[in-house]
Amino acid sequence: NAGVMQNPRHLVRRRGQEARLRCSPMKGHSHVYWYRQLPEEGLKFMVYLQKENIIDESGMPKERFSAEFPKEGPSILRIQQVVRGDSAAYFCASSPSSAGGQPQHFGDGTRLSIL
Amino acid sequence: AQSVTQLDSQVPVFEEAPVELRCNYSSSVSVYLFWYVQYPNQGLQLLLKYLSGSTLVKGINGFEAEFNKSQTSFHLRKPSVHISDTAEYFCAVSVGSGGSNYKLTFGKGTLLTVNP
Repeated sequence: NAGVMQNPRHLVRRRGQEARLRCSPMKGHSHVYWYRQLPEEGLKFMVYLQKENIIDESGMPKERFSAEFPKEGPSILRIQQVVRGDSAAYFCASSPSSAGGQPQHFGDGTRLSIL
Repeated sequence: AQSVTQLDSQVPVFEEAPVELRCNYSSSVSVYLFWYVQYPNQGLQLLLKYLSGSTLVKGINGFEAEFNKSQTSFHLRKPSVHISDTAEYFCAVSVGSGGSNYKLTFGKGTLLTVNP
């Protein structure tokens, strides 16, 4: 039973390039969450998606960041025109529902480095 | 809005010693509480959770935590640690009711280092 799969595990980009991070939720999970972890910080909520819908993007920067979860395929977190401050670990989590207290299952993350 | 404070950024202990990792939260509404563990270069793994009922919660790997509503705390304990418990531990909270109960708010983490 595969867990949450994220790829790539490591991504290096130069300033101004685009970064695309992918997340395949656990089988049977239709709720996806993205979190960002800056050095020596806890995880910060970015966005919550269900299939073809963004439910809550209150934690996402207003510019350059976007997320999608299409009907087919993985969820994508896209960062355009990356800057040094985007260097972080990005984690995806999934759950079978959004019911209160439902544990979220995390992937191993994508470590994004900006040169 | 909720907040989580993990009082110790680093906790060094010797193997087979007991350990307590402290977590306090702030919220104006009822909450659900979680402890996650993160091994190097990996994602977060759920250790245990408190939703309701008994305030003493047992989790995986011999860990347990106690919910104390009056002190707004959810400290994690293990009576005897192993080298393999060396990892970062995160306390997290979500609201117990309302529309945003999926949103986890994390503390900054406590690095537990178990020495031989």
